[in-house]
Amino acid sequence: KNQVEQSPQSLIILEGKNCTLQCNYTVSPFSNLRWYKQDTGRGPVSLTIMTFSENTKSNGRYTATLDADTKQSSLHITASQLSDSASYICVVSAQGSWGKLQFGAGTQVVVTP
Amino acid sequence: EAGVTQFPSHSVIEKGQTVTLRCDPISGHDNLYWYRRVMGKEIKFLLHFVKESKQDESGMPNNRFLAERTGGTYSTLKVQPAELEDSGVYFCASSQVTPGELFFGEGSRLTVL
Repeated sequence: KNQVEQSPQSLIILEGKNCTLQCNYTVSPFSNLRWYKQDTGRGPVSLTIMTFSENTKSNGRYTATLDADTKQSSLHITASQLSDSASYICVVSAQGSWGKLQFGAGTQVVVTP
Repeated sequence: EAGVTQFPSHSVIEKGQTVTLRCDPISGHDNLYWYRRVMGKEIKFLLHFVKESKQDESGMPNNRFLAERTGGTYSTLKVQPAELEDSGVYFCASSQVTPGELFFGEGSRLTVL
C-alpha cells in the first residue's frame, strides 16, 4: 500500500476558479512534505517544501498546508489559469532517507476556459 | 544555468537487449537520484548517489539494473537484459544538499517490446 495517498484522482475546473487537492501520508518518521507540478511529458517541478514545524507555505497562487498531527496536507490553487493544467504530486520523505522520496499517484487537474 | 539533462528522451528496445540511460546533473550538485514511473503507478525511488558513492540503492529492483557515477559527475543507468516490465519513464534528479530541493530532468521513456 502506498504511504502517500492523494485525492481526488482528477478534477476539472473552470478558469478563474479555486480548487483544493488533498494528501494523506503514513511515512514515518516524518521529515518533509513537498508538492510538485508535473506537466505532460516533463519532469516534476517543485512548488513547496514544508517541514514538521511549518503549517502553511505559499508560492504565488499555490498555497500548501500541513497538519503533521493528522498527517494531512492540502494544496490550494487560487484563481486557476489554463497553464495550471497538470498533475500535482504530493511527495513525503522520512528522516534519514533524504533522497528516498515517497510519491503519491498525483491529482490530474484540467482547467477549462 | 543548465538544468538536469537526460538522454535519450525515448528509447525503444526488444526484450533481452541492453539500454543505457544517462543523466547530467546540475553543475555542483553532489546528490544525484534515479526514480522511475511504470505504467499507471506512482514514481518510485531507485537510488541515491552522493558524489560517486551509492548512498542508498534500496529501490533498485534487481541485479539487471546497474547505476554508476564515475568521477561524481554524470550518471548512467544500465538495464541488461531488459524485460517487458522495465518499460516506463526514468527520472533523474539532483540536489546541492540533503534534504534540499530536488531538480528533476525531463525523464527518459523506455519501451521494451
